[in-house]
Amino acid sequence: AQTVTQSQPEMSVQEAETVTLSCTYDTSESNYYLFWYKQPPSRQMILVIRQEAYKQQNATENRFSVNFQKAAKSFSLKISDSQLGDTAMYFCAFMKLLAGGTSYGKLTFGQGTILTVHP
Amino acid sequence: DAGITQSPRHKVTETGTPVTLRCHQTENHRYMYWYRQDPGHGLRLIHYSYGVKDTDKGEVSDGYSVSRSKTEDFLLTLESATSSQTSVYFCAISDSGGVTGQPQHFGDGTRLSIL
Repeated sequence: AQTVTQSQPEMSVQEAETVTLSCTYDTSESNYYLFWYKQPPSRQMILVIRQEAYKQQNATENRFSVNFQKAAKSFSLKISDSQLGDTAMYFCAFMKLLAGGTSYGKLTFGQGTILTVHP
Repeated sequence: DAGITQSPRHKVTETGTPVTLRCHQTENHRYMYWYRQDPGHGLRLIHYSYGVKDTDKGEVSDGYSVSRSKTEDFLLTLESATSSQTSVYFCAISDSGGVTGQPQHFGDGTRLSIL
């Protein structure tokens, strides 16, 4: 079974600064996907960024980028130029992909990191 | 936004009563999921469905059952609610079931309190 660990329960950052959220995972699979979801106080689950394990290039979406270290099983999220609207709980999630079939798309989540952006 | 509606949005009930949560989608996606969110645990998979009448257990399925009689509806039932089932419940949908790594889309959640 896969496990996902987010070791930082809470983090804070000043507006316009950069912050990095950590995520590690444990799996014996070689093909999988990794995701970061954001959950603001409204409780919505919003996809932030997605990474395919077979791609060495780190994914980037505007101010959000990841540092994917496959050998170390690490998948950190960097938020640049932090904005007040980035205040939220952030979840790292793992989805395995079975060769020749499907894993049914099930997600395994980390415990979450609460990020607070201060003005 | 993906067309996912969860009902009710909030519910308070008593221990021992049956509870049914509904997830309705308008996207015609094949895969549907129920998760629960608890502090310190993130989201954990309860049950999932990979087609009409095709369901399977997730990580924390004890005390829960599901049914899917139509593509658009996925019901989660607590036969006899317990206080440990107080949680926020999320429904999610996917069109590819992980084959292409497409992310799941989530409903807005149901906050369930069992007294």
